[in-house]
Amino acid sequence: EADIYQTPRYLVIGTGKKITLECSQTMGHDKMYWYQQDPGMELHLIHYSYGVNSTEKGDLSSESTVSRIRTEHFPLTLESARPSHTSQYLCASSELQGSYEQYFGPGTRLTVT
Amino acid sequence: TQLLEQSPQFLSIQEGENLTVYCNSSSVFSSLQWYRQEPGEGPVLLVTVVTGGEVKKLKRLTFQFGDARKDSSLHITAAQPGDTGLYLCAGSPYGQNFVFGPGTRLSVLP
Repeated sequence: EADIYQTPRYLVIGTGKKITLECSQTMGHDKMYWYQQDPGMELHLIHYSYGVNSTEKGDLSSESTVSRIRTEHFPLTLESARPSHTSQYLCASSELQGSYEQYFGPGTRLTVT
Repeated sequence: TQLLEQSPQFLSIQEGENLTVYCNSSSVFSSLQWYRQEPGEGPVLLVTVVTGGEVKKLKRLTFQFGDARKDSSLHITAAQPGDTGLYLCAGSPYGQNFVFGPGTRLSVLP
């Protein structure tokens, strides 16, 4: 069973607030990812990291930022939330080499009012 | 343009029926994974196929990787309502980033 955790699971927040979505994994994986997924739609990669101090932008442009100070922790921050940021945010991790199997957290459902 | 195509996009069947869903690409993949995602949850890894022509079985689910490593299929025998969900294929084409297909949304009616 994958050991990757996301908090909070649900968040309703007003426009303009700063928010941080937490993601932690205990598998020692070097690579971590953030995806954005609207209901019934496909996953879009917004950020990934190869390891500590590495962050890269994904295929979908996002106003969020990420940091990777510790191997196990990959938080995502929105400086000023807007209604267009309403979505499900999924964190995942994988080994750096090999088959790149990704293990996902349960997701954070964000609603910006 | 999708690097990975999945078909059908939607599938609704009765309990006990068999079904096959497909994942296709024009690119060659070093491996392909299949995931199942339930509403409000993250995708869960079902299987990884690595060798061209490989067949893997997971209870009532049978996964096949094409000989040319460009496509894969998932066959479910005697589908049950618990099989309902979004089935995603994913993989890393040689020299490119990991990608997900758009998914097949399966509904199994009791």
